[in-house]
Amino acid sequence: DIQMTQSPSSLSASVGDRVTITCRASHNINNYLNWYQQKPGKAPKLLIYAASSLHTGVPSRFSGSGSGTDFTLTISSLQPEDFATYYCQQSYSNLWTFGQGTKLEIK
Amino acid sequence: QLQLQESGPGLVKPSETLSLTCTVSGGSISSSNYYWGWIRQPPGKGLEWLGSIYYSGNTFYKPSLKSRVTISVDTSKNQFSLKLSSVTAADTAVYYCARDARGIVVMTTPYYYFDYWGQGTLVTVSS
Repeated sequence: DIQMTQSPSSLSASVGDRVTITCRASHNINNYLNWYQQKPGKAPKLLIYAASSLHTGVPSRFSGSGSGTDFTLTISSLQPEDFATYYCQQSYSNLWTFGQGTKLEIK
Repeated sequence: QLQLQESGPGLVKPSETLSLTCTVSGGSISSSNYYWGWIRQPPGKGLEWLGSIYYSGNTFYKPSLKSRVTISVDTSKNQFSLKLSSVTAADTAVYYCARDARGIVVMTTPYYYFDYWGQGTLVTVSS
């Protein structure tokens, strides 16, 4: 399996802050990297695909970058509705894997 | 609008087989370039992909679970199913079905992701 490691595991921030979450793959995955947002009791929602492409309807304050093994998700100005858990996921191999998640909490 | 809905028992006894079905509405399960996947999430933990199936029956499984997992598809009912055998308490989780988009690359952009999800169903393994 390709292992995905996110950091940090949790993060406290305030409304209006700029936040960055990182994801590292154990092997080169080119740009086959997706980001999801999950709120308590809900299914995950796709935010970013192909490392940097914004999914339909996702606010432009979300952005992604990276290629190869190192990736980042950035939220430019946190809004109250952004406090959630974020997961990266590789789709390079046939066997897809997720990172362990980053919980974004209100400071 | 595509919708997915999981169904099945919420309680399974240890050593028995967990069986869930995902019903797809608003679209065809036989669409090209789309697989259909199962993902689970133990309480308070992260997401784990279990496996995916194409309408033709081609499957991919998580290697560590391959001996216990079977995913099947019924195109006539627009459904796909998950069976997980010999369950233990560690298999207690919310189980999600999702559309697994793979197979389309435009220029250098891979359209490989889970884009539609069911609401999830909690399955508890307990005697």
